[in-house]
Amino acid sequence: GQQLNQSPQSMFIQEGEDVSMNCTSSSIFNTWLWYKQDPGEGPVLLIALYKAGELTSNGRLTAQFGITRKDSFLNISASIPSDVGIYFCAGPSAGGTSYGKLTFGQGTILTVHP
Amino acid sequence: DGGITQSPKYLFRKEGQNVTLSCEQNLNHDAMYWYRQDPGQGLRLIYYSQIVNDFQKGDIAEGYSVSREKKESFPLTVTSAQKNPTAFYLCASQKLAGLYNEQFFGPGTRLTVL
Repeated sequence: GQQLNQSPQSMFIQEGEDVSMNCTSSSIFNTWLWYKQDPGEGPVLLIALYKAGELTSNGRLTAQFGITRKDSFLNISASIPSDVGIYFCAGPSAGGTSYGKLTFGQGTILTVHP
Repeated sequence: DGGITQSPKYLFRKEGQNVTLSCEQNLNHDAMYWYRQDPGQGLRLIYYSQIVNDFQKGDIAEGYSVSREKKESFPLTVTSAQKNPTAFYLCASQKLAGLYNEQFFGPGTRLTVL
C-alpha cells in the first residue's frame, strides 16, 4: 500500500528558530493535509493543499504541495513554546473501496526550548 | 457546537473484560474512523465506515469490533481478544464530497488495562 515518509522524526529547537519538515510518497497524491497533535489531544487540521505547486499560509505556518505531487513541506517561522507537539502529514489512500481513507506519515515530534 | 465527542477521556479496564468507547459527531459527516496511537508512533487504522450499517476493517482490526447503526455514532468495542489494548484511541469523521478529504478528530480516549 501507499506509504508516507515524514522527516525528521524529531526536532529540538530554541524558541524563535524556524522549523522545516517534509513528507514524501512513492506515489502521486492529489491532496496533502498537515495536522498538529497537542499532547493528550486529537490531531487538528492546520493546512490543506489541493493543487501541485500550491503554497498556503496559516499564520506562522506555510505549507507547499510539491510540483511532482509526491511531496509536501511544512515550515514554521519564529517558533514559540506552544508549537510543541506532533506534526503529521496525510494524503488520500488509493481509490476504489479506499475512497475517503487517509494515509498518515509517522509524525515529527517538535520540542521547543524557551 | 458542532464537533466530534469521545467518551470517556480516560478508561481503565481489567484484563479479560470487553469495553466500549463512544464516538459521536454532529457534523453530518458520512464517514467515521477509529485509529489507535501508541507512544511515539503514528496513527493506525482499526475500522472505518462510510455509510450506515456498513463498515470495513482497517490495518489492525483483530480484537476490535464496531457498529454503525446511526450516522452520528460509531462505537468501538475493545474485546478480550485484543492482546495489547493499552493505547490512545482516536475517532475521526469526514464528509465524502468531491476532492475534499479532510478528517476531523475527536479528543481521544486513553485506555489502560490493569
